[in-house]
Amino acid sequence: GEEVAQTPKHLVRGEGQKAKLYCAPIKGHSYVFWYQQVLKNEFKFLISFQNENVFDETGMPKERFSAKCLPNSPCSLEIQATKLEDSAVYFCASSPGILRIGYGYTFGSGTRLTVV
Amino acid sequence: GQQVMQIPQYQHVQEGEDFTTYCNSSTTLSNIQWYKQRPGGHPVFLIQLVKSGEVKKQKRLTFQFGEAKKNSSLHITATQTTDVGTYFCASGYALNFGKGTSLLVTP
Repeated sequence: GEEVAQTPKHLVRGEGQKAKLYCAPIKGHSYVFWYQQVLKNEFKFLISFQNENVFDETGMPKERFSAKCLPNSPCSLEIQATKLEDSAVYFCASSPGILRIGYGYTFGSGTRLTVV
Repeated sequence: GQQVMQIPQYQHVQEGEDFTTYCNSSTTLSNIQWYKQRPGGHPVFLIQLVKSGEVKKQKRLTFQFGEAKKNSSLHITATQTTDVGTYFCASGYALNFGKGTSLLVTP
């Protein structure tokens, strides 16, 4: 399809619990990006993939965050032992290439994670 | 990374007035992308600028990339209520986002 599908839309976890978010990129898009949006307007880049390979993980808090993009499966972002500060909307985006002229990134509708 | 600062943070206009948001960087940017996010929604790609001095138009929206590739602007002529949302600039392949300008349009 022509949309990036993110599930679930909402996720509530108690502090210390695990959270797993999923993203199905647009078919044919070889790049996937994860972003965290906190305080309504601040986006933080987390990680990007080129197909199933990590392209850039400089934004990932390595201790508790991990991500995968395996063939024939949705990409996933997992947070072990969630903290209150992890409460945010997590967006996934996909793109056919990097900075390809005329193409932007297509974002999914996001997963709102609330840690209580 | 290619950090970008965006101003103003908020803008409240009457329908029919013009609106401009500015994006600035202390370093030369490889590109600028602009996105719009409606309240409760997700960012939607508007445009990408890559060339020095580039100007692109989409109906009432005009996008500019500075000659030194250190700043960019988005101008909306004669705003409509459908323009409400937050406009973000972003740069680099990892999309370093500015903090956005939230536009409110009063009928």
